[in-house]
Amino acid sequence: SQKIEQNSEALNIQEGKTATLTCNYTNYSPAYLQWYRQDPGRGPVFLLLIRENEKEKRKERLKVTFDTTLKQSLFHITASQPADSATYLCALPLRAGNMLTFGGGTRLMVKP
Amino acid sequence: DTGVSQDPRHKITKRGQNVTFRCDPISEHNRLYWYRQTLGQGPEFLTYFQNEAQLEKSRLLSDRFSAERPKGSFSTLEIQRTEQGDSAMYLCASSFSTGTGTSAFFGQGTRLTVV
Repeated sequence: SQKIEQNSEALNIQEGKTATLTCNYTNYSPAYLQWYRQDPGRGPVFLLLIRENEKEKRKERLKVTFDTTLKQSLFHITASQPADSATYLCALPLRAGNMLTFGGGTRLMVKP
Repeated sequence: DTGVSQDPRHKITKRGQNVTFRCDPISEHNRLYWYRQTLGQGPEFLTYFQNEAQLEKSRLLSDRFSAERPKGSFSTLEIQRTEQGDSAMYLCASSFSTGTGTSAFFGQGTRLTVV
């Protein structure tokens, strides 16, 4: 069956360092992959979309890579700040219509 | 436009009661989705509308769950005969279809507690 795995353990890093989060999937051949940020008690907020023919995408301090051979996406936040502390979710499309299936999320804690 | 709006934000109900949640999507968005999220998990897809047509409902959790989107604007999600296992955050999202892969805009969710 289709499965998306994110590290369920919280990632603790020091301010200014680069945070790297991993999303692995099995039994998918997704046309694209999305990353969302979620703060406690709030809905997810879209960050980045990367398509299967793109190796890397950047937006300000964010960078996403997509390796369809390894079935893995890496999400990087450079020069991390305490305000980046949140849960980060990766999502893949179930099929046409942009219905999404989400990983369990990884909680990032950036310490000053 | 203030984004996706959900009402109520919180709902406490007794087991066996029916509850209904409302979602107002971003006005120009033609797609609307409902998700459920339990603590420590990612959102779980429930159902999807394009305009007023419900194009996917096979993932609604049971026949106690139903959703409508009359006139292709706001949507409601109803849970009949609530059970304690229904306690979760119910999220609504909307998007505008422009081909493959569009971002979804989520509301703040309705937190349901069944006692």
